[in-house]
Amino acid sequence: SAVISQKPSRDICQRGTSLTIQCQVDSQVTMMFWYRQQPGQSLTLIATANQGSEATYESGFVIDKFPISRPNLTFSTLTVSNMSPEDSSIYLCSARTEGGYTFGSGTRLTVV
Amino acid sequence: GQQLNQSPQSMFIQEGEDVSMNCTSSSIFNTWLWYKQEPGEGPVLLIALYKAGELTSNGRLTAQFGITRKDSFLNISASIPSDVGIYFCAGQDNQGGKLIFGQGTELSVKP
Repeated sequence: SAVISQKPSRDICQRGTSLTIQCQVDSQVTMMFWYRQQPGQSLTLIATANQGSEATYESGFVIDKFPISRPNLTFSTLTVSNMSPEDSSIYLCSARTEGGYTFGSGTRLTVV
Repeated sequence: GQQLNQSPQSMFIQEGEDVSMNCTSSSIFNTWLWYKQEPGEGPVLLIALYKAGELTSNGRLTAQFGITRKDSFLNISASIPSDVGIYFCAGQDNQGGKLIFGQGTELSVKP
């Protein structure tokens, strides 16, 4: 099955700044997804990122706050903009692959 | 929107015991998936179910796709300490291919 490399694995950021998270898949995939997982909670889909089109955001998430890039079929980035402590969470990327849906190991973000 | 109800929320069992957890939905899903997540890691796929009524095993794990396509269960037989983690069910959305996740079942196994 596909392998997804996600970085950084963790970061501590000042409020008001932005962080860009990168996801690299070892094979070409059409659909990539970005999730947020708050402490002790389940995964909530932020947006679907398809190559060649704008990302589709779920209710409660907006492009200005979470801009996404998908420049090719193996790579995507998620930016968490103008961060506040409420953005402290784990962010996970996922790709739809032949074996199902594969996840990166996540980025643990703490905003201080 | 679509929601999955997963139960139980947590389980504390003795090594060697069998475990059962389930997910129900008010919506129909085309695919049900079961994942395990360990601390500091992303979810790892355990079993994927593609057909209503399908029963699939992966070692000590067995999962079934409900005949109504609105539910699924996961059984773990003869639990061992390394089974500790959070187990999530997920249903694939019919419209866009995205996954909807259950709330998770946190499993603790006492040696």
